Amino acid sequence: EAQVTQNPRYLITVTGKKLTVTCSQNMNHEYMSWYRQDPGLGLRQIYYSMNVEVTDKGDVPEGYKVSRKEKRNFPLILESPSPNQTSLYFCATKGGDHYGYTFGSGTRLTVV
Amino acid sequence: AQSVTQPDIHITVSEGASLELRCNYSYGATPYLFWYVQSPGQGLQLLLKYFSGDTLVQGIKGFEAEFKRSQSSFNLRKPSVHWSDAAEYFCAVGPYGGATNKLIFGTGTLLAVQP
Repeated sequence: EAQVTQNPRYLITVTGKKLTVTCSQNMNHEYMSWYRQDPGLGLRQIYYSMNVEVTDKGDVPEGYKVSRKEKRNFPLILESPSPNQTSLYFCATKGGDHYGYTFGSGTRLTVV
Repeated sequence: AQSVTQPDIHITVSEGASLELRCNYSYGATPYLFWYVQSPGQGLQLLLKYFSGDTLVQGIKGFEAEFKRSQSSFNLRKPSVHWSDAAEYFCAVGPYGGATNKLIFGTGTLLAVQP
């Protein structure tokens, strides 16, 4: 079954404590992306990756890092989380122009 | 600039009634359009998508959407709503081919279903 797996599903952390949200896909897709969802703002793209070792900023990259060392994984790194990064995060992958996007189940992050 | 507008933040319908959720977009090229549903505590599930061809698109769970280029709209419809349809619905447009490949989302419409 085609899947995008995110971990953890829920995370509560304190300001400044580095964390990583993992994302893994089993579809061998080259393209992966991270979004954050906030009430009244919809989903906004944080970072994307066209392929291994190729990443670039989306619309709201401040405070985030990513890496793409292998095709299946695309972790999102918050080196010094702040309360304004409290949000629901989604990882997504896309395969081919007409295949569409597949989203993970989401990670709800709370930074206190 | 590219944008997606969902003018209705919250809609309440009675079970069995028909439903139409509005979506308008602003986009320079031929859009690829999507509707996603997010149930409470769940991820995003694709309901349907439009790339080209027939402007009336059928999706899962009995939903359909119609692309109207002249009105820049892609409204979602369902003839008879079930209680399990209560969720948040997002319209999105995707600029395939561009480097970012990002989806531009509307702010969502929260659907409540009355018994």
